[in-house]
Amino acid sequence: QVQLQESGPGLVKPSETLSLTCTVSGGSISSYYWSWIRQPAGKGLEWIGRIYTSGSTNYNPSLKSRVTMSVDTSKNQVSLKLSSVTAADTAVYYCARDIVVVPVASWFDPWGQGTLVTVSS
Amino acid sequence: SYVLTQPPSVSVAPGQTARITCGGNNIGSKSVHWYQQRPGQAPVLVVYDDSDRPSGIPERFSGSNSGNTATLTISRVEAGDEADYYCQVWDSSSDHVVFGGGTKLTVL
Repeated sequence: QVQLQESGPGLVKPSETLSLTCTVSGGSISSYYWSWIRQPAGKGLEWIGRIYTSGSTNYNPSLKSRVTMSVDTSKNQVSLKLSSVTAADTAVYYCARDIVVVPVASWFDPWGQGTLVTVSS
Repeated sequence: SYVLTQPPSVSVAPGQTARITCGGNNIGSKSVHWYQQRPGQAPVLVVYDDSDRPSGIPERFSGSNSGNTATLTISRVEAGDEADYYCQVWDSSSDHVVFGGGTKLTVL
């Protein structure tokens, strides 16, 4: 079955750019949407945004100015960049396959195991 | 923007039925999805599109959605059901995903 694995630096300095990669195995990333979701310690889930394999994106309005997502179909990977990070961006970051029924529904299955990113100097 | 409201906690004895609500303005017109997150683990989809179950999810998990409230019902609750549960919708008016704040299910 499809499995997702997030990777990237676990520590990022304030004002720098957070960069993560999600590698998909057990299936092709083509013809699917892929989302990034984050969760600060002890708090709820926050959707960051999603990308289709064509490259089209939707971002959370609250993060839109700082988020860039990309896709590499040759490597079966999607990537997230979040610029100008602060301590408030410290969280576990998940990638997930986004099952979309245009225009009314979108749900996530499966999820990666998540990766903790700490923003600190 | 669209807001989903969940009770912070629900407690139930083993073998009983747990009901976790998710409130939102006219949520009955939206497609609601539910996730289970055990401590230290990633969320897992347990109900999608209001009431459908992914393969591998026990029949004890069911969902409903009408008016201003969606409900996740867990029958014959087991100790292993103790987890945080999140509801989620797609807000088509603003083109983004919305999560509820989460409900901690405690099995007494």
